[in-house]
Amino acid sequence: EPEVTQTPSHQVTQMGQEVILRCVPISNHLYFYWYRQILGQKVEFLVSFYNNEISEKSEIFDDQFSVERPDGSNFTLKIRSTKLEDSAMYFCASSNIAGGDTGELFFGEGSRLTVL
Amino acid sequence: DQQVKQNSPSLSVQEGRISILNCDYTNSMFDYFLWYKKYPAEGPTFLISISSIKDKNEDGRFTVFLNKSAKHLSLHIVPSQPGDSAVYFCAASAAGSYQLTFGKGTKLSVIP
Repeated sequence: EPEVTQTPSHQVTQMGQEVILRCVPISNHLYFYWYRQILGQKVEFLVSFYNNEISEKSEIFDDQFSVERPDGSNFTLKIRSTKLEDSAMYFCASSNIAGGDTGELFFGEGSRLTVL
Repeated sequence: DQQVKQNSPSLSVQEGRISILNCDYTNSMFDYFLWYKKYPAEGPTFLISISSIKDKNEDGRFTVFLNKSAKHLSLHIVPSQPGDSAVYFCAASAAGSYQLTFGKGTKLSVIP
């Protein structure tokens, strides 16, 4: 069964360092997303990406964050200068139609980011 | 700003009985509602959804009910099985938006 894969599963970094989280969405999907879940809190939307551009982003997704689809398979989230409050589980998701209209997103297992 | 609220952080149910998980929302622009299930160390998995034009959707042991006037939805699991033990997230989306807004989740424990 097709699945969304994410690497690394866990990354520990020092505050101020750059981090890149990688995702391989399901191959025929067109819409890509990043969500995050801070420990004990709800899953929060960060950004959606379609047709090689950001289609929607939340207030959390400030200038420190960027996304890219560098080739036909990978979808990356970069945090330019990490802060302690960026520590969270980051989930990549993909869908073959706009998530807001039908909602069924396929999530990866997540990348846990710990900022020290 | 909790637009989607799951007021019960946890629920315990005996195997074979009904599990009822509740969710309330405040944003009247939401028109599509979903339930996701999450096991530890895994990503959320889609379970069932309902459009705002319906008041019920059923899929096997899972039924979602929507009461638009009360801005309330619920997930019924009948009969509950130990494998259903997980965190259940209610989520909602608005037409024209790409994002899902999640609740904080309810941890369901089904006791054998």
